[in-house]
Amino acid sequence: NAGVTQTPKFQVLKTGQSMTLQCAQDMNHEYMSWYRQDPGMGLRLIHYSVGAGITDQGEVPNGYNVSRSTTEDFPLRLLSAAPSQTSVYFCASKTDSSGNTIYFGEGSWLTVV
Amino acid sequence: QKEVEQDPGPLSVPEGAIVSLNCTYSNSAFQYFMWYRQYSRKGPELLMYTYSSGNKEDGRFTAQVDKSSKYISLFIRDSQPSDSATYLCAMSVSLLRGGSYIPTFGRGTSLIVHP
Repeated sequence: NAGVTQTPKFQVLKTGQSMTLQCAQDMNHEYMSWYRQDPGMGLRLIHYSVGAGITDQGEVPNGYNVSRSTTEDFPLRLLSAAPSQTSVYFCASKTDSSGNTIYFGEGSWLTVV
Repeated sequence: QKEVEQDPGPLSVPEGAIVSLNCTYSNSAFQYFMWYRQYSRKGPELLMYTYSSGNKEDGRFTAQVDKSSKYISLFIRDSQPSDSATYLCAMSVSLLRGGSYIPTFGRGTSLIVHP
């Protein structure tokens, strides 16, 4: 039972580079989301999706794009990486919009130099 | 002021102690209250959730919600070194658009239980 799988686990980027953090879940969850976690700031919502083809912005969406072409996948794209995007990124999913049990991935550690 | 306030700690206690972790919040519309545990370099995992006010017990863990005071607590009895982790509170309210319960997280409290 894989749950929520994130790749890569660690990544170093140069300022201005672009990259995609991958997220896949095998629980047939409708709701998926991306958070970033920074020291002293807690978990902050970047983008979320309530189903395939539907995405919306969270608290800190600037500099990130998402798409949801399938139920299983929810990639997060950094368009032009900045040092301020150095963080730990967590993908999460739950059964549907009304569900409260959120399942998190293991995290992706991103450093932008 | 953040919607959910949580002292980051660290909170250091001896093994066997009773631990009290707390969060305060400002949004009276919050309906669901959750506690997540996060071990170092891992993703958060749901520990307990409660709806509205009251207590909920699960083994050594008790979650308590006081909506009148906008205050929630997590108590850990007979704490163990394996309980050492960061504990995040989270709260959610149903949004009109999409009816989605999107949780708001506290910053997390780092707990260290030493033998």
